[in-house]
Amino acid sequence: KQEVTQIPAALSVPEGENLVLNCSFTDSAIYNLQWFRQDPGKGLTSLLLIQSSQREQTSGRLNASLDKSSGRSTLYIAASQPGDSATYLCAVRRGFQKLVFGTGTRLLVSP
Amino acid sequence: SAVISQKPSRDICQRGTSLTIQCQVDSQVTMMFWYRQQPGQSLTLIATANQGSEATYESGFVIDKFPISRPNLTFSTLTVSNMSPEDSSIYLCSVEDLLTSRGNTEAFFGQGTRLTVV
Repeated sequence: KQEVTQIPAALSVPEGENLVLNCSFTDSAIYNLQWFRQDPGKGLTSLLLIQSSQREQTSGRLNASLDKSSGRSTLYIAASQPGDSATYLCAVRRGFQKLVFGTGTRLLVSP
Repeated sequence: SAVISQKPSRDICQRGTSLTIQCQVDSQVTMMFWYRQQPGQSLTLIATANQGSEATYESGFVIDKFPISRPNLTFSTLTVSNMSPEDSSIYLCSVEDLLTSRGNTEAFFGQGTRLTVV
């Protein structure tokens, strides 16, 4: 059974810092991995999708890496801003099966 | 990407009543799903909404409690029946595999419905 863990559970940083969020999964036979952002009480916004054959994806200040063999992905946020404050979720997919979500990292960026 | 409209965005309901949540997508999609997110928790899949046939439910979820309809490739509803305070959660609609990009298997979500049962 696939299990997805995110560390840390919560993170508080001052504005301008670069930061890394971690996602670990127990079964390395994944089809793809997706990072999402969730604002309080709201839905999920897709940030980055990494296919199993890829090592990383970039979008603006965000960079996500994938190491399938070690069962890990990281989301790097450069020059953090207060507007980045949200919960970040990773989710993995095996084949065409359902997504398995991580536990989330709650990020607070203070001005 | 897909634009997903979910209604209502939030509601406060009396126990014993039912609420129907609507999910409308701006393009045809292969897959539509319904998730629940209980307070402080991650997402749990309730069911896959199948066009023209009965939904496929995950373990722990049953059709009598969460009836789902999907009459076409752009619309689905989830009903939360005979509600109790334990049903207070965010309910989320998700879509995958836009027919214009078959096989991409990227998931998109609606803005969620925040349900409080009193």
